[in-house]
Amino acid sequence: EVQLAESGGGVARPGGSLRLSCLVSGFSLEDYGMSWVRQVPGKGLEWLSNINWNGGVTAYAESVEGRFTISRDNARNSLFLQMNSLKADDTALYFCARERYYDVAPDYAMDVWGQGTMVTVS
Amino acid sequence: DIQMTQSPPSLSVSVGARVTITCRASQRVYTSLHWYQHKPGQVPKLLIYGATRLGSGVPPRFSASEPGSGSLFTLTISDLQPDDIGTYYCQQTHLAPRTFGQGTKLELK
Repeated sequence: EVQLAESGGGVARPGGSLRLSCLVSGFSLEDYGMSWVRQVPGKGLEWLSNINWNGGVTAYAESVEGRFTISRDNARNSLFLQMNSLKADDTALYFCARERYYDVAPDYAMDVWGQGTMVTVS
Repeated sequence: DIQMTQSPPSLSVSVGARVTITCRASQRVYTSLHWYQHKPGQVPKLLIYGATRLGSGVPPRFSASEPGSGSLFTLTISDLQPDDIGTYYCQQTHLAPRTFGQGTKLELK
């Protein structure tokens, strides 16, 4: 079964750091790009960052550019999000998601999501 | 950044109704537009990819269209069921950052 499991959330102080992990199973991580998305409680989804299959290409939302770093370790079936200089506005549920390539589209869409890990900055 | 604007922000609906949600991009995104369903307490689910293509396991009462402008998209739910209640988001993947719309929340009358 294809699964994504986030971990690493918790409480951090403003200006502090956290490192989120996303452990994947049921598929080969190296075959997929991956994304991080967050949801502030009571608000909508916000795309944060993505990374291509080998880590050579990354992109970020303006809200986290320069503070967050996405990375991956295909051998460990893991995706990471290093979050530095945390702000109260970063309080949210953080999801990792698999990017599947649909050649009929052709495009990438997020077809599998983890349950999320909660980050509270206070 | 490409801004995605959904309308309406919320909708009170009845079982069996036909529902249409609109998503407008601030610039052309062609068919790099996807729709997600997010139910409370669950993870988001891919409904539509490539503007009009039904995701895996998605019932055919869901459909989507793109009339050719590359910037205006619609999601339609025919014969709405109680299980369809949740929030629906469009997302563009034409350019980074891959922005979402603000969501359309469906509530039962």
